[in-house]
Amino acid sequence: DVKVTQSSRYLVKRTGEKVFLECVQDMDHENMFWYRQDPGLGLRLIYFSYDVKMKEKGDIPEGYSVSREKKERFSLILESASTNQTSMYLCASSPGGPGNNEQFFGPGTRLTVL
Amino acid sequence: AQRVTQPEKLLSVFKGAPVELKCNYSYSGSPELFWYVQYSRQRLQLLLRHISRESIKGFTADLNKGETSFHLKKPFAQEEDSAMYYCALHTGGFKTIFGAGTRLFVKA
Repeated sequence: DVKVTQSSRYLVKRTGEKVFLECVQDMDHENMFWYRQDPGLGLRLIYFSYDVKMKEKGDIPEGYSVSREKKERFSLILESASTNQTSMYLCASSPGGPGNNEQFFGPGTRLTVL
Repeated sequence: AQRVTQPEKLLSVFKGAPVELKCNYSYSGSPELFWYVQYSRQRLQLLLRHISRESIKGFTADLNKGETSFHLKKPFAQEEDSAMYYCALHTGGFKTIFGAGTRLFVKA
């Protein structure tokens, strides 16, 4: 059973703080993703990684960075949190390749920036 | 532009009634389409994918390339079907594009 875990379910931070969101998957998946989930907007891709130390910007990368030092771990970093980054953050992984693009999601981290 | 459109934000039906959640996509290549579901207080999970052509929990979805649609259907809705449903399009690279989602509410 694929397991994707995220370090926190709920997080409250102050404007300007540096925030780290951690994601770990245990199925040796090549691809990992970070999304924001907002009502009426669906899931929007922030960053993704298709290999260790490789990263690509998604649709809304501004204000975020990522790190993938190990295959199983993908971190999302908010360098200086702002109130408009209050959201649900979802991490996902997928094996990749033809017919293997199902995404497996973590439980989400609800971040509130005050 | 590659896009997934779910025209209904909220769909409310009575238990036992048929339900259809609409999804239209824009993509010039050969699409790989999915429906994901998120039940209350649970994580987002795959419901079905078009290449499998299977029925999951009574739901089916047929890819119509002519109409660029992938509507999700169930003949008799159940209360436990109440959830948020997302249509998603994988475009052959690494990215999957998600629609805005439709909240289905099945009334007793």
